[in-house]
Amino acid sequence: EVQLVESGGGLVKPGGSLRLSCAASGFSFSNAWVSWVCQAPGKGLEWVGRIKSKANGGKTDYAAPAKGRFTISRDDSKNTVYLEMNSLKTEDTAVYYCTRGYSDSTGGYHGDDAFDIWGQGTMVTVSS
Amino acid sequence: QSALTQPPSASGSPGQSVTISCTGTSSDVGGYNYVSWYQQYPGKAPKLMIYEVTKRPSGVPDRFSGSKSGNTASLTVSGLQAEDEADYYCSSYAGSNILVFGGGTKLTVL
Repeated sequence: EVQLVESGGGLVKPGGSLRLSCAASGFSFSNAWVSWVCQAPGKGLEWVGRIKSKANGGKTDYAAPAKGRFTISRDDSKNTVYLEMNSLKTEDTAVYYCTRGYSDSTGGYHGDDAFDIWGQGTMVTVSS
Repeated sequence: QSALTQPPSASGSPGQSVTISCTGTSSDVGGYNYVSWYQQYPGKAPKLMIYEVTKRPSGVPDRFSGSKSGNTASLTVSGLQAEDEADYYCSSYAGSNILVFGGGTKLTVL
């Protein structure tokens, strides 16, 4: 079964750190571009950042709120992507999803603009 | 980068058609044909419904269609069914390897 499973969420104090993991199975993980998307309670989706495949340089890009505080990395030997979150703020409280770029039926790859497989999400609560 | 603008709610009766708008700028929706739409049920992960403005992934009913005019993209759900009641989010590539989402629209089937 093609799936992504997030873990590592929990309660952390403002200013603290947390590392989320996203474990993939059922597909060729090393070729996948993986994004993190968060959703604050009762709010909409927000793109956090993305890591490209190593074949595409493994480049990372981040949304403005994450830049300088969050780091995305990958370990293809473990089929896992990580989201390292530092200097956490109360407004970072959200469910964090990892998601895979979509390969369409004509061979087009949408690593930056469309996501077909999503994990179940992991909750991060930043509170004192 | 600001979020795309969607109406907070939309509704329609079974069998009717409903259109949800997604307004951005020339730097995102208007500048690229990389608008996607997602369906999300409460407590569940989003599901890709439309990509590249008008294209449907395999398995998505053809009752769902997408379009774009200028800086506004739209999702139309035809022949509304009870199971279509969900939250819908648009997203657009915004250049410089950045993606932006809309605020979401709650679709109610009356």
